[in-house]
Amino acid sequence: GNSVTQMEGPVTLSEEAFLTINCTYTATGYPSLFWYVQYPGEGLQLLLKATKADDKGSNKGFEATYRKETTSFHLEKGSVQVSDSAVYFCALSEKGTGANSKLTFGKGITLSVRP
Amino acid sequence: GAGVSQSPRYKVAKRGQDVALRCDPISGHVSLFWYQQALGQGPEFLTYFQNEAQLDKSGLPSDRFFAERPEGSVSTLKIQRTQQEDSAVYLCASSLELHEQFFGPGTRLTVL
Repeated sequence: GNSVTQMEGPVTLSEEAFLTINCTYTATGYPSLFWYVQYPGEGLQLLLKATKADDKGSNKGFEATYRKETTSFHLEKGSVQVSDSAVYFCALSEKGTGANSKLTFGKGITLSVRP
Repeated sequence: GAGVSQSPRYKVAKRGQDVALRCDPISGHVSLFWYQQALGQGPEFLTYFQNEAQLDKSGLPSDRFFAERPEGSVSTLKIQRTQQEDSAVYLCASSLELHEQFFGPGTRLTVL
């Protein structure tokens, strides 16, 4: 079956540090890949997505590239802010945008950014 | 426009009680999903509706779990004879064709 593995957390960084959160996946076929974020007290929100190999998703300064050869979708940001403190989930769906296909999530990782 | 709403936000049940969790999707969203999120884990898929049809219920952990969406809008997840291992946050998400899933705030269920 499908699975998503995220690096162990939590992660604590100083403001303006570089961020990498690793994510690898196992799937049959050609899944779509997502990063969701959960800010304190809020629901899950889509951060970015990529639907085919070599696509790069980007939003709010975050980027992730769909690497089929390494089955990875690592999240990066060049300079984190305190407001980026949240829980980050990597996820996949078997097809499309996830509109009518269930999402398989990783365990999530908590990011804390200190001033 | 309102997002996905869920009620109640918090529910405490004694072991053996039945509970019903409600999801109001975004108006017009055809697809609706339920997920279960245990503490410290990512959400896990429970079931999926397209309009009123339940197309996938492969994630329901036992026959104590039942979901319905009779008019293709509001959905209810029912858990019968709750057990301690049912304690989790239950998330609902809805989506429109070709678009992402939008998640509600969740219902935190605690079974004592």
